[in-house]
Amino acid sequence: EAQVTQNPRYLITVTGKKLTVTCSQNMNHEYMSWYRQDPGLGLRQIYYSMNVEVTDKGDVPEGYKVSRKEKRNFPLILESPSPNQTSLYFCASSFWTDNSPLHFGNGTRLTVT
Amino acid sequence: GQQVMQIPQYQHVQEGEDFTTYCNSSTTLSNIQWYKQRPGGHPVFLIQLVKSGEVKKQKRLTFQFGEAKKNSSLHITATQTTDVGTYFCRSGAGSYQLTFGKGTKLSVIP
Repeated sequence: EAQVTQNPRYLITVTGKKLTVTCSQNMNHEYMSWYRQDPGLGLRQIYYSMNVEVTDKGDVPEGYKVSRKEKRNFPLILESPSPNQTSLYFCASSFWTDNSPLHFGNGTRLTVT
Repeated sequence: GQQVMQIPQYQHVQEGEDFTTYCNSSTTLSNIQWYKQRPGGHPVFLIQLVKSGEVKKQKRLTFQFGEAKKNSSLHITATQTTDVGTYFCRSGAGSYQLTFGKGTKLSVIP
């Protein structure tokens, strides 16, 4: 089944404790992206990747890192999480950027205390 | 990336009433996509519009792209409780940065 898989679905952590949210897609998509969703603010792009070893900042990249060592995986890293990073995170992928539909993972709800 | 304004932010309708959400841009868009996110779910692609003045229908949903390619609308006829969710537009203009509108949250009162 074609899908984008994110893990974990829920995560509660403390300020400063490094964490990684994994994202994997099995559709051979070139493009992958991370979004955070907060009430009233919609979906804001954190980072995106156009291909292996090619990543770039989105609208809200501060406090996040990503890597794209393989085509299928695009992990989101929070080196030192803070409470303002409490949010719902979505990974998404597509064949290309402009004319291809985005496929989303099921989301990761992160709480930083 | 391209900035799109989506209105209204919230809409409450009685079941059977119509619903419309709008996306507006100050610049010309190459295309626009629409997504639906059910409560507790993830956004799911609905449709893409590319041509000026394009109109597409999916059952009770009608999607339009403006003649100037600066605005778009999603209209639902005779809403049902299954239409509940948040509807997002996403603009594309040849940029790798994909911009979503803030969404319209639709509530349907049975």
